[in-house]
Parts: sequence; structure tokens; C-alpha cells
Amino acid sequence: GAVVSQHPSRVICKSGTSVKIECRSLDFQATTMFWYRQFPKQSLMLMATSNEGSKATYEQGVEKDKFLINHASLTLSTLTVTSAHPEDSSFYICSARDLSAGSEGYGYTFGSGTRLTVV
Amino acid sequence: AQSVTQPDIHITVSEGASLELRCNYSYGATPYLFWYVQSPGQGLQLLLKYFSGDTLVQGIKGFEAEFKRSQSSFNLRKPSVHWSDAAEYFCAVGADSSASKIIFGSGTRLSIRP
Repeated sequence: GAVVSQHPSRVICKSGTSVKIECRSLDFQATTMFWYRQFPKQSLMLMATSNEGSKATYEQGVEKDKFLINHASLTLSTLTVTSAHPEDSSFYICSARDLSAGSEGYGYTFGSGTRLTVV
Repeated sequence: AQSVTQPDIHITVSEGASLELRCNYSYGATPYLFWYVQSPGQGLQLLLKYFSGDTLVQGIKGFEAEFKRSQSSFNLRKPSVHWSDAAEYFCAVGADSSASKIIFGSGTRLSIRP
């Protein structure tokens, strides 16, 4: 089945530095990927929709300059948290849709997530 | 815009007992509905999904869900839970679009009593 690989699984960085998180579709092509953020004991909040070859679409309230998204190929989207601060500490999860799912429609697969801790 | 409500924050059931997790959605057209499970610190695993057809959907791990349009509900059920079912369960709704996002409910944490 469709597999989405997300790296790193855990990262600790110093306040003020930038962190890049990768989301790869391993056995399918994904023109669209989604980035979610999850606070402890809370639900997943959609941050942005990553579109291959074009600009990402951000949800209301998400800082575009803080969370840079690049979707340079059909199998890779990256999320860069720039000038990270402790309040950016969270669990970030990406998702991609396997379009070959055809009539099955939504073949959304999620990565295993990245735990970001900013100290 | 679509939205999802999971009214139960935390549910505890005894091992071997039946389970029903509630989910209500709001969407103007025919929704695409999902149930995902998340273990602590892990990503999400799809349990089942509904797009059309039979309103009773069978999923993995013995779970099923029933779509009831009149009640705007998509409740998840399992006849007999196992200790390994303890996790966070999320209901989600999407739209009929190839690039549409899916929106998650707030989640229900399931604990299993030995």
C-alpha cells in the first residue's frame, strides 16, 4: 500500500534556528500533500496544503514566513520552521494522497510524525 | 465549510465489552468520512472510510462504522475491544475533490479496563 515517510521523527533545536522536516511518498506520486500540527492531547490542525510546483495554501492564522513549505517534486514536500521558538514545539504530521486509488477516492496516508522540541 | 464533532473526550470500557465512539459532521454535500487511530507519539492509521454505497462500512481490526445521513453521524463500533485498542481515535471529514483537505474532530481517547 501507499507509504509516506517523514523525517526526522524527533528533533531538538535551539531557539532561533531553523528546522526542516521532510515528507516523502515512497511508492506513489503526490501532487498534493498536507501538513498538520498537533499539540499534546489535541487534534490535528491543518496548517497548509502543499502543491507540487506552486505555492502552498496556508490556513488562516498560520504564518507563511514562519512555516515555509516547498513541494519541488511529486514525491517530496518539506516544511521548514524558521527562527524556531519554544512555542513552535509540537508534533508535525504530513499526509499525502495516492491518486492511483481511483474510485476508492481518498487514499490519504499519513507520515509517522515529527516531534519538534525547541529549547 | 466542513466540521466534525466528537462529543466524547475520553471513554473507558472493559476488555471484551462493546464500543461505540460518536462522530457528527457538518457538510453541505455528500461527505467523505474517515476514522483514524493514533497511538501515543505515532502517526495516524486509517481504520475505515465512507464515500458512497453501503452505509455500514467494515474496517480493519474488527471496527465498523455506520453512516446515517439523517443524523449527520458516522459512529465507530467494535463488538469486543482488546487491550491493544487503547489509543486516540479521530473522525474526519473531507470533500469531493481530488485535492481537498480533510478536517479532523477533536478526538476521543479510549482506555481499556482490564
